[in-house]
Amino acid sequence: AQRVTQPEKLLSVFKGAPVELKCNYSYSGSPELFWYVQYSRQRLQLLLRHISRESIKGFTADLNKGETSFHLKKPFAQEEDSAMYYCALSALQYSSASKIIFGSGTRLSIRP
Amino acid sequence: EAGVAQSPRYKIIEKRQSVAFWCNPISGHATLYWYQQILGQGPKLLIQFQNNGVVDDSQLPKDRFSAERLKGVDSTLKIQPAKLEDSAVYLCASSPRTSGYNEQFFGPGTRLTVL
Repeated sequence: AQRVTQPEKLLSVFKGAPVELKCNYSYSGSPELFWYVQYSRQRLQLLLRHISRESIKGFTADLNKGETSFHLKKPFAQEEDSAMYYCALSALQYSSASKIIFGSGTRLSIRP
Repeated sequence: EAGVAQSPRYKIIEKRQSVAFWCNPISGHATLYWYQQILGQGPKLLIQFQNNGVVDDSQLPKDRFSAERLKGVDSTLKIQPAKLEDSAVYLCASSPRTSGYNEQFFGPGTRLTVL
């Protein structure tokens, strides 16, 4: 079964502290994984995808196939990082565009 | 470019009533998705269209939910009759391609409250 698990509903850290949002997945094929973010009063938007291997707004995420994890990390949290973060898995469909399975989300709160 | 548009933004109805939501995707986007997001949960795919055909509706409660995408552009999602557990945010998303992975662009959502 395809599943994405985010064990923390809320993560609260001080400004300047490191951040790690956990994500584990279950998927029988070769996964494509993403992090989506929703800032207050804004739309859900793509933050980063594992195939790009890029850093966006200081965030990085490494796919660990052995541990089936895709944790989101940032070395120094900023107040503007406060938002809802969703880990997501793309399930490829050979005859059509992929569909996405979302985790339940983690609310990140950065304290000043 | 203009983003995905949805209306209404908020809707309050009583159980057993009917409701419809409208979505206008980004121009030229072939694939359109409807998601249901219940409070405290991540978005759950209800139905996926490719142009005006249904690709995946396996999680759509077909006894009460229906959706269509006429002419492969705008889409409507209807609930008839509504139940209390249908209270949620309904998100529409679109993506440009019809195969493989491609980024999904989300609308602002419609918040439905069923009393």
